[in-house]
Amino acid sequence: EAGVTQSPTHLIKTRGQQATLRCSPISGHTSVYWYQQALGLGLQFLLWYDEGEERNRGNFPPRFSGRQFPNYSSELNVNALELEDSALYLCASSPASSGRIVGTSGRSTGELFFGEGSRLTVL
Amino acid sequence: KNQVEQSPQSLIILEGKNCTLQCNYTVSPFSNLRWYKQDTGRGPVSLTIMTFSENTKSNGRYTATLDADTKQSSLHITASQLSDSASYICVVSATRRGSTLGRLYFGRGTQLTVWP
Repeated sequence: EAGVTQSPTHLIKTRGQQATLRCSPISGHTSVYWYQQALGLGLQFLLWYDEGEERNRGNFPPRFSGRQFPNYSSELNVNALELEDSALYLCASSPASSGRIVGTSGRSTGELFFGEGSRLTVL
Repeated sequence: KNQVEQSPQSLIILEGKNCTLQCNYTVSPFSNLRWYKQDTGRGPVSLTIMTFSENTKSNGRYTATLDADTKQSSLHITASQLSDSASYICVVSATRRGSTLGRLYFGRGTQLTVWP
C-alpha cells in the first residue's frame, strides 16, 4: 500500500514568487495536515483539511493557503515567498477526523502518517 | 499555555548503549501522546502512541512510558544502533469536540547521535 506522497521533492524559488506543493494521502484517509519545519526547528502546524474543507489553521499569514480535492489530495500554496519560508514542508494524513483512540484494541487509532516532505528553498 | 518540552536537546551515545529521552507537557485536556522518529530530511515515522490509561508501550528496542499525573513521558532506547541516529519528537494531542486530531502540540525534538 502506497504511503503519503509529496511532490516536488525539492523546489527552488526566488523572493516574491509563488510555490505550490502537493500531497496525496494514503488511500482511504480523508484528513490531510500540512506542517512547516524550518532548519533546526520543530514542526509548526499550518493547515488541516478534512472532507474537502479547511478545519483548522495555524499561526501563519494568509499568503499560506491550500485546498483539498474530492479525491482527498491536497495542495499548499505559498504566495509572495520570503526568505524565511525556506523549510521542509511535511504533509500527513489520517483516517476520518472523528476517529477516537481506543487504546490497545487498535481500532481507529487516529494515527498520523507523514510523507517525506518537500524541501522549499527561497533565494 | 499548551506546551511540549523535550530534553535533552541533543544527545551523543556510543553504539550498544541505552539512553532515555524526556518529554514534559502542559497540554490539556490530554488525549494521547506519540513519539516519532525523524531521520534527517525525511518525514517523521511513528514509534508509539499512548492514551491516558497506558503507562508503558514497547516497539522493539523502543519503550515509551507515560505518567499522566505528572505529565511526563520518556522514550527509552535499548542497545542503540547507528541507525537510531535521528531526531525524536514528542507530540501531545488535546481533545477537541470528540476528535483526537486537529490540535497537536509538537516538541522540538531530541537529536540523538549514535557513534560506533
